[in-house]
Amino acid sequence: DAGVIQSPRHEVTEMGQEVTLRCKPISGHDYLFWYRQTMMRGLELLIYFNNNVPIDDSGMPEDRFSAKMPNASFSTLKIQPSEPRDSAVYFCASSSYMNTEAFFGQGTRLTVV
Amino acid sequence: AQSVTQPDIHITVSEGASLELRCNYSYGATPYLFWYVQSPGQGLQLLLKYFSGDTLVQGIKGFEAEFKRSQSSFNLRKPSVHWSDAAEYFCAVGPSGAGSYQLTFGKGTKLSVIP
Repeated sequence: DAGVIQSPRHEVTEMGQEVTLRCKPISGHDYLFWYRQTMMRGLELLIYFNNNVPIDDSGMPEDRFSAKMPNASFSTLKIQPSEPRDSAVYFCASSSYMNTEAFFGQGTRLTVV
Repeated sequence: AQSVTQPDIHITVSEGASLELRCNYSYGATPYLFWYVQSPGQGLQLLLKYFSGDTLVQGIKGFEAEFKRSQSSFNLRKPSVHWSDAAEYFCAVGPSGAGSYQLTFGKGTKLSVIP
């Protein structure tokens, strides 16, 4: 398996634009997580899915953020409209069942100018 | 709520020296504990994990960690550091309770290695 695949690796966008981050989890994994990493706050869990269903989105910072998982092999994290304070590295991770290790993608570095 | 504290933001060691990275956690029951490593521009890679049983766990790349319940600690060790170990290390604890999953990470310790 190629691991968790995220795209794009880097994204630069202007404030107010819509941004969509994409993730393909490891085949067979039934948990998918979106994290955000910043210098100030470290790694924060934004939302996680189990069997394509959102379970806990309490970490999503505000309504500008939304995440979907239309099928077991694809998830998106959307920010609309984007703001400079959204600049961060966004990681997607997946795991095979609860409480085992999470496998991380290489992240998307988002810069909002 | 569970939490993880990594007291050292940055540690510098000489190549060949021993290493210990500290991790303290707060959790109401026996936790699941993890150490991850992140190289620049990369995602996080699991080094080792503790679920139950032997409190000394072995991981990849020659790392080990010891779970000490009395001290609420899960320190990471390596007897001889290599230059390629320079990276950022994250301790994590989970889960938060029945029916939910919350893997909580510490703020990380950046390791620099002097040749």
